Amino acid sequence: NAGVTQTPKFQVLKTGQSMTLQCAQDMNHNSMYWYRQDPGMGLRLIYYSASEGTTDKGEVPNGYNVSRLNKREFSLRLESAAPSQTSVYFCASSDRHPNYGYTFGSGTRLTVV
Amino acid sequence: QKEVEQNSGPLSVPEGAIASLNCTYSDRVSQSFFWYRQYSGKSPELIMSIYSNGDKEDGRFTAQLNKASQYVSLLIRDSQPSDSATYLCAVTSGGTSYGKLTFGQGTILTVHP
Repeated sequence: NAGVTQTPKFQVLKTGQSMTLQCAQDMNHNSMYWYRQDPGMGLRLIYYSASEGTTDKGEVPNGYNVSRLNKREFSLRLESAAPSQTSVYFCASSDRHPNYGYTFGSGTRLTVV
Repeated sequence: QKEVEQNSGPLSVPEGAIASLNCTYSDRVSQSFFWYRQYSGKSPELIMSIYSNGDKEDGRFTAQLNKASQYVSLLIRDSQPSDSATYLCAVTSGGTSYGKLTFGQGTILTVHP
């Protein structure tokens, strides 16, 4: 099925460990995004990639890095996880046509202990 | 002041009533506005988009936009228990009609039988 695929769905990390969240879309979208969602905070943009080969910081980039591997894939890396990074992470993609908004992945629930 | 602010919830309405969800935004050059619905434990899904002042209707949903007042709303007519979810308002930034979205904190809606 066409859409945005995120892996893993759940992850528990110890403080200081590293991990990479994977995201891939098969809709030929130019733009991809990483958001985190915390209770009462809505969705906050971590990093985005307007097109293949470009990445930019969003509202809350500290502690994260990203790689736009190709047009399909956009990964998010936590180099040294902290309890404050416990959250639900969503990847999304969009194209330039405004009517379609974002298509979201199913999310990754990350707990840092 | 938050960039996108939604009316505080939770909002509880009886089945069959009209649910009214409100959102204000601070960026005067915002051009595209979206409403997403998010069921508990799921990813957001797009339900309405609006770009011009006035009303836009789609089934039981009506989005209303007033750029002069920097205000966007969502009306849900004949509310059903299946409408119980968190509703997220989202606004494009930077004066473009596409691209990165800023989300409000969400309003939890409960429709009781």
